[in-house]
Amino acid sequence: QKEVEQNSGPLSVPEGAIASLNCTYSDRGSQSFFWYRQYSGKSPELIMFIYSNGDKEDGRFTAQLNKASQYVSLLIRDSQPSDSATYLCAVNQLYGQNFVFGPGTRLSVLP
Amino acid sequence: EAGVAQSPRYKIIEKRQSVAFWCNPISGHATLYWYQQILGQGPKLLIQFQNNGVVDDSQLPKDRFSAERLKGVDSTLKIQPAKLEDSAVYLCASSLNRWGEQFFGPGTRLTVL
Repeated sequence: QKEVEQNSGPLSVPEGAIASLNCTYSDRGSQSFFWYRQYSGKSPELIMFIYSNGDKEDGRFTAQLNKASQYVSLLIRDSQPSDSATYLCAVNQLYGQNFVFGPGTRLSVLP
Repeated sequence: EAGVAQSPRYKIIEKRQSVAFWCNPISGHATLYWYQQILGQGPKLLIQFQNNGVVDDSQLPKDRFSAERLKGVDSTLKIQPAKLEDSAVYLCASSLNRWGEQFFGPGTRLTVL
């Protein structure tokens, strides 16, 4: 079982729609969870992090964490073409390798 | 605040040659990471330093890769000898501590011919 999995892409949504990106992880003791955005040819940049169960909102972005289900998601409201990128989920595990990235989900927002 | 610096940005070498990458983390960041990112994949952690000590190098191919972080600041990653499958982007990141968010440098794109 892979440590961090993400929904396979590419994911295409029309401009103005809500994009939903999902991530599951295997280490039940994981402490913190991060979403990074990576434009083609660029390095990852942090969008949000979340430590506690529930929702965390920052502008058009909402991260949702459910530790019981070992699931974290990122919602992007009012999607814009500039949101088109690969979104990486990263998990800070308690056991094993400390910091693990998922494979990423490529998002395309169509004008 | 200056970001994470890396050099060189691009490097092309022949297989079996050696290459070295340099990273200067954000000032005050105790934790430094080296990742390998192959096209279309997420970053894979190669080695993690806490100050000048190694926390995790379980995925570092130690027969050819080495890394050091002298004085707990700058770090170098070396590959000797390089193989074709080492072609990738090598990313350096730093964080205040091992639990905090990471900030990435621009990366070094390595092509092995």
